[in-house]
Amino acid sequence: AQTVTQSQPEMSVQEAETVTLSCTYDTSENNYYLFWYKQPPSRQMILVIRQEAYKQQNATENRFSVNFQKAAKSFSLKISDSQLGDTAMYFCASEYGNKLVFGAGTILRVKS
Amino acid sequence: DAGVTQSPTHLIKTRGQQVTLRCSPKSGHDTVSWYQQALGQGPQFIFQYYEEEERQRGNFPDRFSGHQFPNYSSELNVNALLLGDSALYLCASSLLRAHSGNTIYFGEGSWLTVV
Repeated sequence: AQTVTQSQPEMSVQEAETVTLSCTYDTSENNYYLFWYKQPPSRQMILVIRQEAYKQQNATENRFSVNFQKAAKSFSLKISDSQLGDTAMYFCASEYGNKLVFGAGTILRVKS
Repeated sequence: DAGVTQSPTHLIKTRGQQVTLRCSPKSGHDTVSWYQQALGQGPQFIFQYYEEEERQRGNFPDRFSGHQFPNYSSELNVNALLLGDSALYLCASSLLRAHSGNTIYFGEGSWLTVV
């Protein structure tokens, strides 16, 4: 069984600064994928970034990047140059067989 | 290109009633999954449909059932509603090209309140 743990219920960051959200996971699979999703107050689940477990290179999407430590089963999200529009709930998720297992989420508040 | 669409957006039901939620997947997608998201929690996988068959199922009772139609749209049915069924129900779609790693898109969800 796969499990995902997000140990930070809430985080806050000043606009334009950098913040890192933590995530650890557990899986017995070898070929799996990891995702970060953003859920703003509108409740729409938006894909932020994905990482393929067999790739050592950390994924990057504009201001968003991950630090993927496979041996430690850690998958943190770094948001650079934080913007007010980044305020949302962020979910870490693992995927195998087209099924997502989500963490409990981290509320991120970006302050002006 | 239409994304994943769900209906209704909000509904209120009474304990013991039955509810049907509907989902149209993103254009070109053939796989539909349903998730339940209780307030303040992460989504939980209910089940997944592909080629009109339930492909896999999460830890949910038989009161939760579904269907996929030939046009890939899907319904989620919940019978004998309990107060604990109050949640946001998310539909997700993908194109099943590989066993894993297919990008999964979500709809805006259907808010169900059971009173």
